[in-house]
Order: sequence, then structure tokens, then C-alpha cells
Amino acid sequence: QQQVKQSPQSLIVQKGGISIINCAYENTAFDYFPWYQQFPGKGPALLIAIRPDVSEKKEGRFTISFNKSAKQFSLHIMDSQPGDSATYFCAASSMGSYIPTFGRGTSLIVHP
Amino acid sequence: DGGITQSPKYLFRKEGQNVTLSCEQNLNHDAMYWYRQDPGQGLRLIYYSQIVNDFQKGDIAEGYSVSREKKESFPLTVTSAQKNPTAFYLCASETGTSGNNEQFFGPGTRLTVL
Repeated sequence: QQQVKQSPQSLIVQKGGISIINCAYENTAFDYFPWYQQFPGKGPALLIAIRPDVSEKKEGRFTISFNKSAKQFSLHIMDSQPGDSATYFCAASSMGSYIPTFGRGTSLIVHP
Repeated sequence: DGGITQSPKYLFRKEGQNVTLSCEQNLNHDAMYWYRQDPGQGLRLIYYSQIVNDFQKGDIAEGYSVSREKKESFPLTVTSAQKNPTAFYLCASETGTSGNNEQFFGPGTRLTVL
């Protein structure tokens, strides 16, 4: 199965700071790149997603940056808040693959 | 409210027992998935189903079985053949059937082997 490599595994940020999580993929057929947010003991939920026809998508404090040539995409959380403390998963999939490929997750802690 | 429900939230199993985890969705989604989550290992696919009465093995199907008799339901059985079943199990459904859309996850079932 094609891999999606996510880094860092864990991240500690001060309140108000910028959190950055990176993912790299191999399969150039991938055309859907979502980020999921998971709080402890809960199921993940879609946070934001991008398709490769744009290089950036912003929703509030959350931004996805997408670099098609480098086969990388990243999540930026501006003005990070303690309530953002969660595990974040990137994923990638392509039409017809039926199965998304998930990164291993990043545990984010935002200190007050 | 539309969504995915999983039950029970916590489940304890004795060695040698089979247990069944329930997953129900009222989102009218065709595709459904079962994932296993262990610390530091992300989400690993156990089984998925794109349509009623059809399902496919994922990466770690050994020791698990599923059925898909109804569109709304996709139960997972953890058999005694699964040697290390203690984990957090997540059920998901997808808006389409291509694997190329948002996945909606249930709240999960935490299974512990005693």
C-alpha cells in the first residue's frame, strides 16, 4: 500500500503560536487530501481537505498548503489554542482506490 | 441527527471468546469501513464494504470477520484467532464509494482482553 509519511509524531506549542504538521506522499494519482482531528476517546472528524487544483485552502485558523511537485502537504494552525490539543491525521486517496491512506498521526499539545 | 453509532463503548473479552462490535449509520452511505487504532500506529484498515452483501479484506483482516446484510449496518466480529485484540476500533462510512471523499467516523469501541 502506498504510504503517507507524517511528521512530527508529537508537537508542543504555546498558546498563540503556530502549529505545523507535514505529510509527504508517493502516489501521484492521489487527488484528495483531508486532515482529521481526533480528541481522546473519540472518533476522528474531518477538519479540512484539499484537492490538487489549488495550492492552499484556509478555513478560519486552519490552512492546508499543498505542493504538488514536491508531493507534500501541510496543516498550519494559526493562533493555536489549548482546545486544539488533539491528534491530527493526514490522509490521501484517489478516485477508484476505495481505500484512503492515513498518516500515523501527530499528537498536538497546546500549553496555556 | 444523522451519524454513525457504535456499541458498546467499552467491551471486555476473555481469552478464547468471540465478540461482535456494532456499527450503524443513518447517512445513507454505501461504503463502510472498520479500522483498528493502536498508539503510534495510526488507523489500520480491517475490512471495508462498498455495497450491501459485499466486503473486502483490508491490511489486517486476520482474526476478524464482518457482514453487510443491510446498508445501515456493518458489524465486526473479533474472533479468538485474533491474538492481540486489545485496541480502539473505529467504524466509518464514506459519502461516495470511491474512497475519495470525506469519511465519517463513529465514536469508537475500546476492546480489552482480560
